[in-house]
Amino acid sequence: QKEVEQNSGPLSVPEGAIASLNCTYSDRGSQSFFWYRQYSGKSPELIMFIYSNGDKEDGRFTAQLNKASQYVSLLIRDSQPSDSATYLCAFGNSGNTPLVFGKGTRLSVIA
Amino acid sequence: KAGVTQTPRYLIKTRGQQVTLSCSPISGHRSVSWYQQTPGQGLQFLFEYFSETQRNKGNFPGRFSGRQFSNSRSEMNVSTLELGDSALYLCASSARQGDTQYFGPGTRLTVL
Repeated sequence: QKEVEQNSGPLSVPEGAIASLNCTYSDRGSQSFFWYRQYSGKSPELIMFIYSNGDKEDGRFTAQLNKASQYVSLLIRDSQPSDSATYLCAFGNSGNTPLVFGKGTRLSVIA
Repeated sequence: KAGVTQTPRYLIKTRGQQVTLSCSPISGHRSVSWYQQTPGQGLQFLFEYFSETQRNKGNFPGRFSGRQFSNSRSEMNVSTLELGDSALYLCASSARQGDTQYFGPGTRLTVL
């Protein structure tokens, strides 16, 4: 069974700090990794995706992938109260199976 | 490009009724996936359609069904509604299976 593990939180960080969200996955054949943000009562929105080992930066967000250790993380620099949401990670391994989502980590940025 | 649209946005039904939800994917996207989300639960995968064929199915009873049309629009149907079916139903589209998924706003179903 393909699984994704995320700490449910809540993860509380002060405004301006770096928030670090982590996700581990069980399927070594995973090839694509995604981070989504979901505000309460809303649908998930894509933040970024990463396919290769290493870091990928997009504005205040950095995704880090380590396939050998089977984990992917999301760093949010200069955290803002508007970043308070649930963050979902997901992975896919081929075109024939659906994406597998974690249950999400709730982030709270305290002003 | 217009995003994923879902109709209706809100729905109130009573136990035993049936309901049909609709999803229009992003133009050019051929893969549509459906999820159920309840408070405190993660996204529960219902099914995935690609080119009018159901390619994957989650662990839900047969009361949950779906289909996809030639224009990639998709519908899901829930028959004999139960109280536990109250949830946010999300549709996501992607260009291909396993590709980046983009979610619609969801349909919030309440079963009384």
